[in-house]
Amino acid sequence: GAGVSQSPRYKVAKRGQDVALRCDPISGHVSLFWYQQALGQGPEFLTYFQNEAQLDKSGLPSDRFFAERPEGSVSTLKIQRTQQEDSAVYLCASSPRGLAGPYEQYFGPGTRLTVT
Amino acid sequence: AQTVTQSQPEMSVQEAETVTLSCTYDTSENNYYLFWYKQPPSRQMILVIRQEAYKQQNATENRFSVNFQKAAKSFSLKISDSQLGDTAMYFCAFMKHDTGFQKLVFGTGTRLLVSP
Repeated sequence: GAGVSQSPRYKVAKRGQDVALRCDPISGHVSLFWYQQALGQGPEFLTYFQNEAQLDKSGLPSDRFFAERPEGSVSTLKIQRTQQEDSAVYLCASSPRGLAGPYEQYFGPGTRLTVT
Repeated sequence: AQTVTQSQPEMSVQEAETVTLSCTYDTSENNYYLFWYKQPPSRQMILVIRQEAYKQQNATENRFSVNFQKAAKSFSLKISDSQLGDTAMYFCAFMKHDTGFQKLVFGTGTRLLVSP
């Protein structure tokens, strides 16, 4: 079946603009994660959804970042009033379970956000 | 908090040779999982291999194997018979064993170049 997809793949925003990044997880996957990957760094956790419930948002860097998954499938990461430090690749991952276990996280190709 | 350290920013190996990527981590947890992820230039992260901390036997997946030293908190990846398609960023990652959700904590990555 289809993997995790993300759109747009590339986004250029002027400082101060709002952006919305979309993630389509694998159908039926309960868990959905957002990670931020700065240039030359490993991904860093932003937030986690189990179905439509956002169970952890401790990694969101500021209140300008907001994520939702209203129907438990597609998720949107919104960044308001973008700043240059928001430039990064935003990765979405989904996993088939919501319980503890070494369940593989399947990653999307990412959205590269450049704030000018 | 857990941390993952990859001390080799870049590694090179010739086709058909063997290469070992290093990873150390710091945690006070006793039960956890360790992963190696591969991120090719197209940026879709894929799982290479995983290890449960309670298992003493090192995990193996075809040409990929790990050397897991729990006491030393070391988790290296050995790639045998390297192929050109192995060229990618490799990330070591840690996941707590928990009743809740499971976020990944990544290292900064090692860029591996396989040359003919």
